[in-house]
Amino acid sequence: AQSVSQHNHHVILSEAASLELGCNYSYGGTVNLFWYVQYPGQHLQLLLKYFSGDPLVKGIKGFEAEFIKSKFSFNLRKPSVQWSDTAEYFCAVNGGTGRRALTFGSGTRLQVQP
Amino acid sequence: DSGVTQTPKHLITATGQRVTLRCSPRSGDLSVYWYQQSLDQGLQFLIQYYNGEERAKGNILERFSAQQFPDLHSELNLSSLELGDSALYFCASSVGLGREETQYFGPGTRLLVL
Repeated sequence: AQSVSQHNHHVILSEAASLELGCNYSYGGTVNLFWYVQYPGQHLQLLLKYFSGDPLVKGIKGFEAEFIKSKFSFNLRKPSVQWSDTAEYFCAVNGGTGRRALTFGSGTRLQVQP
Repeated sequence: DSGVTQTPKHLITATGQRVTLRCSPRSGDLSVYWYQQSLDQGLQFLIQYYNGEERAKGNILERFSAQQFPDLHSELNLSSLELGDSALYFCASSVGLGREETQYFGPGTRLLVL
């Protein structure tokens, strides 16, 4: 079965600091990888996705993620965070054996202090 | 706004009762997914429908059921409710069953069982 690990449960940064959130998945076959963001009281919004091709993907709001197949990782990065990035971030995976439902990590709560 | 709508936004009910949550997918999307988000279990996949037919089941309790209607809207029925069913229930939709597809999430229904 697929599983997703997000090692950072709660991250506190100051504005303009750089961000990297870890995501590791367990599945050896072809996978699709996603990062979703959930702002307080809101629904999940897609930040970026990886299906194939260039392992460095760029998403909205200046976020990017790198797929490293050998490490089963898909870490999220942003060079300079803003207060408005305060939210919960979820890594998700699907694929393989025709499964389309998403398996989510436990989420990382990011708090950006002004 | 993802284009996925869910009603109601909030629902408060008592143990033992039955409720129905409704989801309308984005225009043109044939697949509907239901997820449950709770503090202790995180985000978990419940069930998927494609063009009116059940396609995949996740961690869905026997007390829960769903269906997708000819107009493609979906309903999630929760019966014999327990305190532990209190959670946020999300619906997501995607175009079909392709390998490279993105799920777009609705705003969710927050269920509180007292």
